[in-house]
Amino acid sequence: ETGVTQTPRHLVMGMTNKKSLKCEQHLGHNAMYWYKQSAKKPLELMFVYSLEERVENNSVPSRFSPECPNSSHLFLHLHTLQPEDSALYLCASSQGRTLSYNEQFFGPGTRLTVL
Amino acid sequence: AQTVTQSQPEMSVQEAETVTLSCTYDTSESDYYLFWYKQPPSRQMILVIRQEAYKQQNATENRFSVNFQKAAKSFSLKISDSQLGDAAMYFCAYRSAYRDDKIIFGKGTRLHILP
Repeated sequence: ETGVTQTPRHLVMGMTNKKSLKCEQHLGHNAMYWYKQSAKKPLELMFVYSLEERVENNSVPSRFSPECPNSSHLFLHLHTLQPEDSALYLCASSQGRTLSYNEQFFGPGTRLTVL
Repeated sequence: AQTVTQSQPEMSVQEAETVTLSCTYDTSESDYYLFWYKQPPSRQMILVIRQEAYKQQNATENRFSVNFQKAAKSFSLKISDSQLGDAAMYFCAYRSAYRDDKIIFGKGTRLHILP
């Protein structure tokens, strides 16, 4: 596999369920990101990991819990979500601390529906 | 704080014609990077073109080119010879040169290609 992959691609869960989203990057990057994409809203940055350390948490509710065990993998653990959390969750990676453009490469996303 | 504004939620263009998507941004920084990303209906976001703020020459990638006006804080994307495969959401994005782990996105412009 190449690029950034995400599983599952679709997820339907109840408000009391616990599930996890997985992201894997095969680009040798050092930074990984979680974004939430809702209809008619800008992309919302949720978490940033650089060299496996969390460097940003944009006031995300605690029902979202990220985990970055190594520079290639990123998880988003979900529990007791609300219907308004239904959205497309995008993972991205970038080279990290460089002097270059450091553009982000995105995965295909997980379409999450909370019932 | 930096902001990115895309004032056109939707646009349509006839196949083979040229279309320009607008983007303006607000920043007090002098050095930064600007990007246009494309998100086709399959959802995977890909980088279309990028521009470094201190480079005066406008970036070009095949049929895609930008009109970068630094003083006006404008960064429009021109697509020449539009093709059906260009139909997508287009996001303008800003990254500070002083902070390489965060990109700020606009709300996006949905581009329709009319056959």
